[in-house]
Amino acid sequence: DGGITQSPKYLFRKEGQNVTLSCEQNLNHDAMYWYRQDPGQGLRLIYYSQIVNDFQKGDIAEGYSVSREKKESFPLTVTSAQKNPTAFYLCASSVTGIGNTIYFGEGSWLTVV
Amino acid sequence: EDQVTQSPEALRLQEGESSSLNCSYTVSGLRGLFWYRQDPGKGPEFLFTLYSAGEEKEKERLKATLTKKESFLHITAPKPEDSATYLCAAPLSGNTPLVFGKGTRLSVIA
Repeated sequence: DGGITQSPKYLFRKEGQNVTLSCEQNLNHDAMYWYRQDPGQGLRLIYYSQIVNDFQKGDIAEGYSVSREKKESFPLTVTSAQKNPTAFYLCASSVTGIGNTIYFGEGSWLTVV
Repeated sequence: EDQVTQSPEALRLQEGESSSLNCSYTVSGLRGLFWYRQDPGKGPEFLFTLYSAGEEKEKERLKATLTKKESFLHITAPKPEDSATYLCAAPLSGNTPLVFGKGTRLSVIA
């Protein structure tokens, strides 16, 4: 089935560690996105990419990094510079970039221990 | 400043009690108003896109409408399985991805 796969579903990070969240899509979508969701809050954009080998910062990019080496993959690294990383992370994709419906994966929970 | 605002934050309904959720936006040149449903611990599920004032779309007990300043998600005779958080979103001015409201958490009690 076509869709967006995020892994792992649950991840624990120790202080000072970098962790990488995986996002793969087989929808042949050009654009991919990472959003962060905190309890009781809306979704906030971290990074997005409209084409392979290109990406732009969103509203809360500090402490995060991404790469887009393949059309179907858009991994997110949460670095030790992100001071409050505990959150629910959502990957999404759309046919093209702006104004089109975006579709979400099932999300990844990251907890700092 | 362009933004998307939802109200109420939470809504509790009896089964069969119809109501509406509001999404107001301040966007110049709206290029779509999107509604999503999100269950706890899951990714948002796409419901509707509205592009022009006066447009309406329906799906089962849900109907979305759009004016020049706001959108409503009407829920007719809700059932407990309609309990979820409903999110609205829009691309703001310029070439930006969707910006989301904080959502309305709907609880339908049997």
